[in-house]
Amino acid sequence: AQTVTQSQPEMSVQEAETVTLSCTYDTSENNYYLFWYKQPPSRQMILVIRQEAYKQQNATENRFSVNFQKAAKSFSLKISDSQLGDTAMYFCAYLRKRGGSNYKLTFGKGTLLTVNP
Amino acid sequence: DVKVTQSSRYLVKRTGEKVFLECVQDMDHENMFWYRQDPGLGLRLIYFSYDVKMKEKGDIPEGYSVSREKKERFSLILESASTNQTSMYLCASSRRLAGESYNEQFFGPGTRLTVL
Repeated sequence: AQTVTQSQPEMSVQEAETVTLSCTYDTSENNYYLFWYKQPPSRQMILVIRQEAYKQQNATENRFSVNFQKAAKSFSLKISDSQLGDTAMYFCAYLRKRGGSNYKLTFGKGTLLTVNP
Repeated sequence: DVKVTQSSRYLVKRTGEKVFLECVQDMDHENMFWYRQDPGLGLRLIYFSYDVKMKEKGDIPEGYSVSREKKERFSLILESASTNQTSMYLCASSRRLAGESYNEQFFGPGTRLTVL
């Protein structure tokens, strides 16, 4: 079974600084997706960034980027120029890629990120 | 924009009551999911449905059942609520795509259920 591990339950960063959230996963599959989801306080969970395992290039979305190390099964999220609105719970998630029924996300336990003014 | 709505943001029920949590999506998605979110445990899949009247158990189905009579609506049922079912419940939906394409899951705002 796939597992996703986020070793940092809580982190904090000063506004405008850079922070990296860690995620490791365990799988025997070769094709899969990895995601970072953001859940702001009392708000809906939204997708921040995704990575396809077969793509070597690290995904980037504005201030958010990932460091995907497939051999090491590591998928960290870097947030540059942190903003107060980045304060949220961040979840790393894994999705096995298997056609039309590639439905089941496996989530890590989350990292609570606080951006301080 | 995809919209996933849940019937209640907060719900308080008593032990032994039958509880219905409703989820509606407006994007004609085939797949719908119910997750439970607990501090320190992340999100765990309870049930999902890939079509009307179709369902499959997730990782923690015990004590729960589901109903999907219409494509847009997916209900989670607690037949006899217990205190250990106090939790945040999240609904999600996604399109079912052919081949090996990715289909993003869109989440509702959540229902915080307290069982006394």
